[in-house]
Amino acid sequence: SQTIHQWPATLVQPVGSPLSLECTVEGTSNPNLYWYRQAAGRGLQLLFYSVGIGQISSEVPQNLSASRPQDRQFILSSKKLLLSDSGFYLCAWSVYGREAGGELFFGEGSRLTVL
Amino acid sequence: GQNIDQPTEMTATEGAIVQINCTYQTSGFNGLFWYQQHAGEAPTFLSYNVLDGLEEKGRFSSFLSRSKGYSYLLLKELQMKDSASYLCAVRDLGYGGYNKLIFGAGTRLAVHP
Repeated sequence: SQTIHQWPATLVQPVGSPLSLECTVEGTSNPNLYWYRQAAGRGLQLLFYSVGIGQISSEVPQNLSASRPQDRQFILSSKKLLLSDSGFYLCAWSVYGREAGGELFFGEGSRLTVL
Repeated sequence: GQNIDQPTEMTATEGAIVQINCTYQTSGFNGLFWYQQHAGEAPTFLSYNVLDGLEEKGRFSSFLSRSKGYSYLLLKELQMKDSASYLCAVRDLGYGGYNKLIFGAGTRLAVHP
């Protein structure tokens, strides 16, 4: 069966510090991978998605970046965090292909507080 | 552009029926999803509609009208554990033709005894 894990689960970072959130998927190959952010009381905002190693599409301009160094590894980074980066970050995967982007399977989430 | 609208909050009584509506305007459409999200947790998949009509799955049903850009989630025999946010999401076409999910802001449902 497929599983998805992301970490850390919670973190508190000062403004201007760097960020690295990591996500790995097991039990499937060549998945589509996604990073979403959810601000308090808000819906999910798509930040990045990837259809393959090194292939990243950014949905919104921001000071975040994403990388996919391996097939089942997806990393969300920032060089300098802003207060507005606080939120609940969710990694997700779906089956690869044109029919992909269908049912999403989410990781446990990472709650980031920037002070 | 993309716009997905659903009510912010709803309340209902245990054992009752509640309908959560969702309207959408997207540049592309290839299906509509409903997800349930309990506070502090990740969303979990509830239902998927790509053709017009009603899809029933136990206590939950979802309806889609593509011509009207409208969907609803129907929850029957409400239980306290159904208190959660319900997210409507449209599968749209992303860059290169790959599909992606665009989420609405979610509807917070509170079930009272």
